[in-house]
Amino acid sequence: DGGITQSPKYLFRKEGQNVTLSCEQNLNHDAMYWYRQDPGQGLRLIYYSQIVNDFQKGDIAEGYSVSREKKESFPLTVTSAQKNPTAFYLCASSRTGRVQETQYFGPGTRLLVL
Amino acid sequence: AQKVTQAQTEISVVEKEDVTLDCVYETRDTTYYLFWYKQPPSGELVFLIRRNSFDEQNEISGRYSWNFQKSTSSFNFTITASQVVDSAVYFCALSADRGSTLGRLYFGRGTQLTVWP
Repeated sequence: DGGITQSPKYLFRKEGQNVTLSCEQNLNHDAMYWYRQDPGQGLRLIYYSQIVNDFQKGDIAEGYSVSREKKESFPLTVTSAQKNPTAFYLCASSRTGRVQETQYFGPGTRLLVL
Repeated sequence: AQKVTQAQTEISVVEKEDVTLDCVYETRDTTYYLFWYKQPPSGELVFLIRRNSFDEQNEISGRYSWNFQKSTSSFNFTITASQVVDSAVYFCALSADRGSTLGRLYFGRGTQLTVWP
């Protein structure tokens, strides 16, 4: 079955620690996205990538970093510079990244700070 | 600027009632796309519908229907004969071209729908 997988489902971070969230898709989609969701809020865009080895900052990129070395994978690193990382993180992909394309979402990773 | 407003934070209904979720959007672009997603308690967003700015025809899919009105910049979602399984957070989202072909979604804050048995 084609889809988007995210791991882990839950992740705990200690103060000053960098953590990496995994996102993999086997839909052969070109574009991938990372969103952050806080309670009672909509989704806010962190980073997005339309093609391999290229990505752009979204609205809240500070304290986060990404890479896109393979079409299937778009990992997100939450660095120690992100002072309030506790949130639900959702990865998405779309076929081409163009404005008319539907984005499909993974199951999400819940990040908690110890 | 692109903006989506879902004024209803929470709605509670009893099973079999009809319910309408409101969505109002703002954009200066002439070409744009509107989406509805469902987020059940598991957390994953499930795509429900996409509508482009040139197609104002209403759409019906089973118990779901969507009313797109450009004159009022609204894209409302109605569930007929609601069921407990409809309980979820529903998000409306906008994708606009801003002069480029690169797409990104702007989400409303979502409406929590609770359907009681």
